[in-house]
Amino acid sequence: DIQMTQSPSSLSASVGDRVTITCQASQDISNYLNWYQQKPGKAPKLLIYDASNLETGVPSRFSGSGSGTDFTFTISSLQPEDIATYYCQQYDNLELTFGGGTKVEIK
Amino acid sequence: QLQLQESGPGLVKPSETLSLTCTVSGGSISSSSYYWGWIRQPPGKGLEWIGSIYYSGSTYYNPSLKSRVTISVDTSKNQFSLKLSSVTAADTAVYYCARIRATAMPFDYWGQGTLVTVSS
Repeated sequence: DIQMTQSPSSLSASVGDRVTITCQASQDISNYLNWYQQKPGKAPKLLIYDASNLETGVPSRFSGSGSGTDFTFTISSLQPEDIATYYCQQYDNLELTFGGGTKVEIK
Repeated sequence: QLQLQESGPGLVKPSETLSLTCTVSGGSISSSSYYWGWIRQPPGKGLEWIGSIYYSGSTYYNPSLKSRVTISVDTSKNQFSLKLSSVTAADTAVYYCARIRATAMPFDYWGQGTLVTVSS
């Protein structure tokens, strides 16, 4: 099984700050990595697929990069509506795994 | 617009079988471009993939749950279902159904989720 280590587990930043979250896979997953945003009481929302592709309709301040085992998710300028928990998710041979999540709060 | 809706009992007794159905509207479950999946989230915790199914009936399960999980599809009703046997309190969670794109395998459409509590 491939394990996904996401860090940090939580962070606090100011509006306008650049926010970075990392996800590390226990083995090479190429670019098979997706990112989600989940607000309290809601289903997750797909933001980034295939490591770096922005889902249609998602603001361009969200971006993703990486390949192999190390991946990064960035919010270029944190907005109040970005307060949420963010998850990475990998797929390998049709088995899927989520990272543990990063809770983003406003300082 | 594609919509997914989970349905089933909100309370299940320990040792019994949890059964949920996801009804898909606004699109066909028989599309070759998608898989369909179940994900759960215990209260205050993270997301856990339970398993996925293709319209043909091919299934893929989380190894940690494989012995207790059965996912099936009914293309005539545009539905897919989850059965989780021998439940315990640790299976208490919000259960989501979702569509999975066959390329990149992201969950791109989700149901609203349904809370299932395991308690006597």
